[in-house]
Amino acid sequence: AQKVTQAQTEISVVEKEDVTLDCVYETRDTTYYLFWYKQPPSGELVFLIRRNSFDEQNEISGRYSWNFQKSTSSFNFTITASQVVDSAVYFCALSEAGWGFGNEKLTFGTGTRLTIIP
Amino acid sequence: DAGVIQSPRHEVTEMGQEVTLRCKPISGHNSLFWYRQTMMRGLELLIYFNNNVPIDDSGMPEDRFSAKMPNASFSTLKIQPSEPRDSAVYFCASSLRTLSSGNTIYFGEGSWLTVV
Repeated sequence: AQKVTQAQTEISVVEKEDVTLDCVYETRDTTYYLFWYKQPPSGELVFLIRRNSFDEQNEISGRYSWNFQKSTSSFNFTITASQVVDSAVYFCALSEAGWGFGNEKLTFGTGTRLTIIP
Repeated sequence: DAGVIQSPRHEVTEMGQEVTLRCKPISGHNSLFWYRQTMMRGLELLIYFNNNVPIDDSGMPEDRFSAKMPNASFSTLKIQPSEPRDSAVYFCASSLRTLSSGNTIYFGEGSWLTVV
């Protein structure tokens, strides 16, 4: 069975500080996909990134970066120079690959509530 | 492009009433998901359709819950009769399932249900 753990329930940082959100996953599959979603106070779930298990290159998108390490089963998310608009709950998720139906199901972590203090 | 559209956005109903939540997936997507979000259980998958066919409904809590997808552009999630413990945010999501997997799933804004 697959599992996603986000040990940090809540984080608060002062604006412009860097912050890293941790994500640790468990799966028996050798091929799988990892995701991050953002849920701002308005409630919608916004897709941020998808990563497949064969691609361990770090990804950078503006102030956001992601560090994928298979050796530690982690997919951490860093926000550089945080801004108040980054305040949200962030979810890490996992889906297993394969040809069979059901492989698109996302297993979510419990989320990390990030508060950026002005 | 329009995203996943859900209605109603907010609903308050009395215990025992029937509740119907509606979803229009992104045009061209062939997979549709219903998720529920609660404080206690987080985000959990209720049911998953592919090409309008229910593939996995193992997350549907009980017989009071039913979901249909009569065509590629519309799905409903019905609760009858509703109970206070059904109060949650219900998300509809869709994706385009191709020969490769791990396709990105896009979520609607959610339907906030309160059963009193």
